Amino acid sequence: AQSVTQPDIHITVSEGASLELRCNYSYGATPYLFWYVQSPGQGLQLLLKYFSGDTLVQGIKGFEAEFKRSQSSFNLRKPSVHWSDAAEYFCAVGLYGGATNKLIFGTGTLLAVQP
Amino acid sequence: DTAVSQTPKYLVTQMGNDKSIKCEQNLGHDTMYWYKQDSKKFLKIMFSYNNKELIINETVPNRFSPKSPDKAHLNLHINSLELGDSAVYFCASSQSEQGSPYFGPGTRLTVT
Repeated sequence: AQSVTQPDIHITVSEGASLELRCNYSYGATPYLFWYVQSPGQGLQLLLKYFSGDTLVQGIKGFEAEFKRSQSSFNLRKPSVHWSDAAEYFCAVGLYGGATNKLIFGTGTLLAVQP
Repeated sequence: DTAVSQTPKYLVTQMGNDKSIKCEQNLGHDTMYWYKQDSKKFLKIMFSYNNKELIINETVPNRFSPKSPDKAHLNLHINSLELGDSAVYFCASSQSEQGSPYFGPGTRLTVT
């Protein structure tokens, strides 16, 4: 069955430090992959997506993610974290075809940023 | 200028009541969705509509009935509310069935 795993429930980094949030997926075909961010009390904002092509994807707010088929991973990175990046981050895989067009989300990683 | 809007933002009601949540998108998208986020922040699709036609009904109880009067609106009506319905409900839309969903701000439903 298709699934998304985010192994880290909670991560704390210092402001200015680099960040990597892990995401592993289980999907038989070429995946459509997404990262969303949810600030407290807010909706989900799309950070970036991978559909095909270059496996290193650039997103908004200085984030990037790399698709690695051999590892079934789509990890999110940022070279220098800002306090405003504190939020919940969700990885998702898109399932498309026939009557099934939906996103399967991971359980999220809560990012805390300390001064 | 809000792309996907939902009303109300908060909804507190008692068990057994019937309530509705409205959603509108001004992006010109063809596909709209309802997702539910539970208390552990887990997000799961409930319904998707494409051009007012139901595409996905993800084993949601019959008490939940979506209605799409036109492409820009997808409302969610819930009958006989139960404690377990307490959650945040997100509306979303995408340009096509394979597009990236844009999410609304969410409606926090609390059933007491």
